[in-house]
Amino acid sequence: AQSVTQLGSHVSVSEGALVLLRCNYSSSVPPYLFWYVQYPNQGLQLLLKYTSAATLVKGINGFEAEFKKSETSFHLTKPSAHMSDAAEYFCAVSAVSNFGNEKLTFGTGTRLTIIP
Amino acid sequence: GAGVSQSPSNKVTEKGKDVELRCDPISGHTALYWYRQSLGQGLEFLIYFQGNSAPDKSGLPSDRFSAERTGGSVSTLTIQRTQQEDSAVYLCASSPPPGVNSPLHFGNGTRLTVT
Repeated sequence: AQSVTQLGSHVSVSEGALVLLRCNYSSSVPPYLFWYVQYPNQGLQLLLKYTSAATLVKGINGFEAEFKKSETSFHLTKPSAHMSDAAEYFCAVSAVSNFGNEKLTFGTGTRLTIIP
Repeated sequence: GAGVSQSPSNKVTEKGKDVELRCDPISGHTALYWYRQSLGQGLEFLIYFQGNSAPDKSGLPSDRFSAERTGGSVSTLTIQRTQQEDSAVYLCASSPPPGVNSPLHFGNGTRLTVT
């Protein structure tokens, strides 16, 4: 079975500072990993995904994540936070169900607050 | 429309009533998912449809929950005899066929409040 753990339900950073959101995964097979962002009153939007190609994945809005197998981690970073980055961020791992569909298992989310 | 459309956006109902939530997926997307988002609990998989195949219902929390997808397009999630613990945001997502790791496209959700 696959699972993800997001450390820190709330993270606050100053505008212009580094953003680091942590995600650790557990998987019995090579995982596919995703980061989604959810703005208030909206659905989830894909930020980036890891599918066993390059271990450093670049996404939208200046975000990137690095897959580290030895640490079973897939942390999300952005060098300089912007006020518009305030949102909830979800890490997810893809699992293939008995029905053959790819079912995402999500973490509990991290709410990012940007301090002016 | 260009995205996944869900209706209503908000629903308040009394305990014991039945509710129906609707999802219009992106045109051409064969896969459709329902997730439930509860405060502090992340997203919980409910059910998955893929074309004419039997749906994966493994995430439905009880027999009060059911879903159907008519004509391979619109889906309806029905909750019978609602309970207060059913209060949550119900998210629908669609994607092209599996096997290509296509990302899920989410709707804005239906916020259900059971009083």
